[in-house]
Amino acid sequence: DAGVTQSPTHLIKTRGQQVTLRCSPKSGHDTVSWYQQALGQGPQFIFQYYEEEERQRGNFPDRFSGHQFPNYSSELNVNALLLGDSALYLCASIPGQGRQETQYFGPGTRLLVL
Amino acid sequence: GEDVEQSLFLSVREGDSSVINCTYTDSSSTYLYWYKQEPGAGLQLLTYIFSNMDMKQDQRLTVLLNKKDKHLSLRIADTQTGDSAIYFCAESWGNNDMRFGAGTRLTVKP
Repeated sequence: DAGVTQSPTHLIKTRGQQVTLRCSPKSGHDTVSWYQQALGQGPQFIFQYYEEEERQRGNFPDRFSGHQFPNYSSELNVNALLLGDSALYLCASIPGQGRQETQYFGPGTRLLVL
Repeated sequence: GEDVEQSLFLSVREGDSSVINCTYTDSSSTYLYWYKQEPGAGLQLLTYIFSNMDMKQDQRLTVLLNKKDKHLSLRIADTQTGDSAIYFCAESWGNNDMRFGAGTRLTVKP
């Protein structure tokens, strides 16, 4: 049983560019959350997707957007990149029926904005 | 306060017990979690406790919850060098998001 997978593992972009990060949840999980983890900090909630819709959003600007596909995989898009967007982006998947107590994280995508 | 608070560093000797403490923000939090993060890796769920419990034990791990003081602790018995990592406390309300602390870096000395 594959766990949560994310791609790419590392990415380097320049200011002003756009980036798309991808996540495949664990088998049987239908909900995906995205987090941003800046260096030396804990993860910060960006948003959560369920049934292909954004269900809840954290305190992030509209430059951060997402999508969920019918197979439950998800993308995180960030437009007009800033230096401060450099971070580890983590995807977490949650089993069906909203069992929030078991939220599993992927290995993350490390984004560096120059 | 508005932040989940943890001490930043803890150093112990191999074989000793480690106790990592956390103060969370919301007495209505439904679940409290401990995650482990090794260098360059994602978060590994270690254990969680439902808010109506006082204690949970899982092999070498013991979680204690004091709801009155909004205090959560993780005790690791017989700490090994492989336990060296950053440990994150987190709270959730059973809905969608989780709030994390900044992490405690545990160093285990041989």
